[in-house]
Amino acid sequence: QVQLVQSGAEVKKPGASVKVSCKASGYTFTSYGISWVRQAPGQGLEWMGWISAYNGNTNYAQKLQGRVTMTTDTSTTTAYMELRSLRSDDTAVYYCARDLSLVTAIPGYWGQGTLVTVSS
Amino acid sequence: EIVMTQSPATLSVSPGKRATLSCRASQSISSNLAWYQQKPGQAPRLLIYGASTRATGIPARFSGSGSGTEFTLTISSLQSEDFAVYYCQQYNNWPPWTFGQGTKVEIK
Repeated sequence: QVQLVQSGAEVKKPGASVKVSCKASGYTFTSYGISWVRQAPGQGLEWMGWISAYNGNTNYAQKLQGRVTMTTDTSTTTAYMELRSLRSDDTAVYYCARDLSLVTAIPGYWGQGTLVTVSS
Repeated sequence: EIVMTQSPATLSVSPGKRATLSCRASQSISSNLAWYQQKPGQAPRLLIYGASTRATGIPARFSGSGSGTEFTLTISSLQSEDFAVYYCQQYNNWPPWTFGQGTKVEIK
């Protein structure tokens, strides 16, 4: 079965960077893309971007352009999301999610989430 | 960017009754609309995609309808496990995919 296991909670200071990992199993990693979605405390869902695990192509939300980088490591079937120049409003739970299908690039299978807290 | 607007913000429904949730897109998105359910402390779960196709394992009491700019999620007979927050998401134009602000379904 499809499983996405994310790295543990992080506490960072403003201006620092964070890199969240998402270990995938139960399917052919390079056949599906991975989206990243975040959720600030008590708030709704915000799509951050998407990466193809096949060729590394990315689409990022414009508001995060220049601060976010999504990558994959096919040897370890792991996706990564790095966010730089952290601010307090980056405090959120960060989710990775696999595409629903080969032709539908929406979050169909979700990781458990990683809480990132940005505080001085 | 396409703006998704959900209504109402909170819906109070008695168990066993029908719940109807609405989602409106700021421009036509054809049928490229998904619905997610999220319970406290959990990741979202995909319920519906293509506006009306249930995802694997989703009970038949969940149904979706609509196209263009107006969409509806109906839960025909609310069970205790259905009380949660529901989000719609468009995937017609990207980036970005955009979500609605959510509708909380609570026990009346």
